[in-house]
Amino acid sequence: EAGVAQSPRYKIIEKRQSVAFWCNPISGHATLYWYQQILGQGPKLLIQFQNNGVVDDSQLPKDRFSAERLKGVDSTLKIQPAKLEDSAVYLCASSFPGQRVQFFGPGTRLTVL
Amino acid sequence: AQSVTQPDIHITVSEGASLELRCNYSYGATPYLFWYVQSPGQGLQLLLKYFSGDTLVQGIKGFEAEFKRSQSSFNLRKPSVHWSDAAEYFCAVGVSGGYNKLIFGAGTRLAVHP
Repeated sequence: EAGVAQSPRYKIIEKRQSVAFWCNPISGHATLYWYQQILGQGPKLLIQFQNNGVVDDSQLPKDRFSAERLKGVDSTLKIQPAKLEDSAVYLCASSFPGQRVQFFGPGTRLTVL
Repeated sequence: AQSVTQPDIHITVSEGASLELRCNYSYGATPYLFWYVQSPGQGLQLLLKYFSGDTLVQGIKGFEAEFKRSQSSFNLRKPSVHWSDAAEYFCAVGVSGGYNKLIFGAGTRLAVHP
């Protein structure tokens, strides 16, 4: 069974530039999560989708971050414009609806210079 | 508010020695508890989970954890550490009801000496 796929794996940008990350969840997993993991900290949930609807985006900085999951499968997380403090690993996870175990992708390491 | 505390930022053990990583949580209801491991450049891999029932749970790679409600703890243990266990370990609590949100601790980085 294929796992959660993410791309790119690494990205370096200048501050004020924009960047996008892509995630493809495990087949059949209707619930998709984006986490931000700053160096030295645990992952923090940014946004959660159930199919193509947002169910929790309370921790998403909406002035610069956006995410979509148009067809209820893959998802894109965008940052525009990026700030230095956005340097982090962005993890995507997925799960079956109602199941509590989340499966994580390898993450995208973002460096903002 | 829900929270998870991992008191040890770094731990170093010798190969073959026993290991215990501490985790304390703050949550008003029955918690769902997890331990994940993250190797360098990798995502998080589930080691084990506790939902209910037997408070001693077995996981992959020879790990086990014990849920102690009276101490609000869910410590991870392994009787004999291998060099390949060097990684970062995260404890997490799942918020019941609602949308399956996970709250993670800050992690414990494990180094293994030969």
